[in-house]
Amino acid sequence: GQNIDQPTEMTATEGAIVQINCTYQTSGFNGLFWYQQHAGEAPTFLSYNVLDGLEEKGRFSSFLSRSKGYSYLLLKELQMKDSASYLCAVKNDNQGGKLIFGQGTELSVKP
Amino acid sequence: GAGVSQSPSNKVTEKGKDVELRCDPISGHTALYWYRQRLGQGLEFLIYFQGNSAPDKSGLPSDRFSAERTGESVSTLTIQRTQQEDSAVYLCASSLNRANEQFFGPGTRLTVL
Repeated sequence: GQNIDQPTEMTATEGAIVQINCTYQTSGFNGLFWYQQHAGEAPTFLSYNVLDGLEEKGRFSSFLSRSKGYSYLLLKELQMKDSASYLCAVKNDNQGGKLIFGQGTELSVKP
Repeated sequence: GAGVSQSPSNKVTEKGKDVELRCDPISGHTALYWYRQRLGQGLEFLIYFQGNSAPDKSGLPSDRFSAERTGESVSTLTIQRTQQEDSAVYLCASSLNRANEQFFGPGTRLTVL
């Protein structure tokens, strides 16, 4: 089976840095995605990791360790608009192109 | 259009009725996915279409759920004899092919009374 775990909710302060962790156990692996979802809106793509290491894109970075089944999303210089749900998703190519999603981490950014 | 579109945006129906949800993917995207998201939950995979290959229906929760796709364009998700537990947001996504990131539509919020 597949199992993807991430914290249910986190709180951080505007201007700070926050790290959202995701661990996964899958029978196959062909990449890990992070999506951002504001309340009532569709998820939007943030990052994709298929090789170990850190991918940086502006204020957002994503890290992957395939041997540990672990990823994190790092958000720097937090802004109020970063308050959203962050979804970790794994692509298992043994099952086609579909994504297996975690439950999402609800991030609240406080002033 | 520039993105994935879905209709209707909201649907309220009575228990036992059939509903049909529509998705228009981004032009040229060969892969199309349907997901379900219950309130406060993550996304649950339902079905996946890739070109002319047989669809992956492994996520459909019961035989009341079915989906069709016309070539590489519009898809419809049909739920027959709706139940209250079908109430959720139904999200459609498309990607250039199965290797690329998925772009999501705004979803259809289904409420079964």
